[in-house]
Amino acid sequence: DAKTTQPNSMESNEEEPVHLPCNHSTISGTDYIHWYRQLPSQGPEYVIHGLTSNVNNRMASLAIAEDRKSSTLILHRATLRDAAVYYCIPGAGSYQLTFGKGTKLSVIP
Amino acid sequence: GAGVSQSPRYKVAKRGQDVALRCDPISGHVSLFWYQQALGQGPEFLTYFQNEAQLDKSGLPSDRFFAERPEGSVSTLKIQRTQQEDSAVYLCASSLFRGGLGTPNNEQFFGPGTRLTVL
Repeated sequence: DAKTTQPNSMESNEEEPVHLPCNHSTISGTDYIHWYRQLPSQGPEYVIHGLTSNVNNRMASLAIAEDRKSSTLILHRATLRDAAVYYCIPGAGSYQLTFGKGTKLSVIP
Repeated sequence: GAGVSQSPRYKVAKRGQDVALRCDPISGHVSLFWYQQALGQGPEFLTYFQNEAQLDKSGLPSDRFFAERPEGSVSTLKIQRTQQEDSAVYLCASSLFRGGLGTPNNEQFFGPGTRLTVL
């Protein structure tokens, strides 16, 4: 599995955009980049995933570097409900998710 | 709609007791996963079922851990002779298809977890 590096923690003001970075320099050519988040006292939930081009959904956007060695999850307007631990997880052929320690996002009202 | 449910939500066991944790996946989901999450850590994979077949149990920490999904829906994780190091949150997840992480629309849906405390 590709190794990932994420900041331990980040802060954002409410209603401002948040950019959560992830380095995955050992990613293989077929690995998708998945993002999950875990709100306090809940199970993880899927956020978004992509392979090469940038992706958007109702929750977030995913910007993938051209060399695919890094990606950035973008929350366009952070809300208090977005306070969570965000996990970046490369993978394709495997079926289990390999979580790291993730980035703990705090949102300041 | 109904998501993944787990019961009990909290379980306290004395060291040496056996426990059974239940997972009800989303109806129709082929794949089912169990993960263990220690305090302050990310979840770690335990085992994977495709319908009733247990295809991977490489993450189970010892032979005291046993999982089953006899009819391809509900799953039970059993821990025999619990030890203090078994204290953790046990998460169950299901996904629609049998394929890997690259399969479209195959995200994993997680339950709220069972917090096990072994005294």
